[in-house]
Amino acid sequence: AQSVTQLGSHVSVSEGALVLLRCNYSSSVPPYLFWYVQYPNQGLQLLLKYTSAATLVKGINGFEAEFKKSETSFHLTKPSAHMSDAAEYFCAVSEMDSSYKLIFGSGTRLLVRP
Amino acid sequence: SAVISQKPSRDICQRGTSLTIQCQVDSQVTMMFWYRQQPGQSLTLIATANQGSEATYESGFVIDKFPISRPNLTFSTLTVSNMSPEDSSIYLCSVDGRAPEAFFGQGTRLTVV
Repeated sequence: AQSVTQLGSHVSVSEGALVLLRCNYSSSVPPYLFWYVQYPNQGLQLLLKYTSAATLVKGINGFEAEFKKSETSFHLTKPSAHMSDAAEYFCAVSEMDSSYKLIFGSGTRLLVRP
Repeated sequence: SAVISQKPSRDICQRGTSLTIQCQVDSQVTMMFWYRQQPGQSLTLIATANQGSEATYESGFVIDKFPISRPNLTFSTLTVSNMSPEDSSIYLCSVDGRAPEAFFGQGTRLTVV
């Protein structure tokens, strides 16, 4: 069965500092991996996705993530945090041979200090 | 990409009543998904709705409580039946993007009093 673990329910960084949000997955087949962002009172917006092409994936708003099969990880990073990055971030996994059904991690709330 | 409209965006309902949430997509899609996000929690898949067949429910969710309709390739409804305060959540509609990726509606914020 697939699962996703996000370490840290809350991450706090200073504006301009590196953002690192951790995600580890479990899947018996090659996975698709996603990062979504949810701003307050809004739906989910796709940040980036891994679909078996390049292991380093670049997304919107300066975010990127690296797929590491040996570590079963897909951590999200951004070199320099901006106040507007404050939101809830969800890592999700889907099996390549399934119907795009997503299994979500528990989420990480990113706080950005001025 | 797909544009998804959900109605209502929010509602406050009395316990014991039912609420039907509508999901409209601007293009034809094969699969539509309904998720629940309980307060402070992550998203949990309720069911997958394919046009022309019965919805497929995940463990812990049953049709009597969450009946789903999928009359065509651009529309679906989710009904939350006989509501209790524990049903207070955000309900989100999602569609497969065949990219692959999933697109989400803005959600319906339900409060049961």
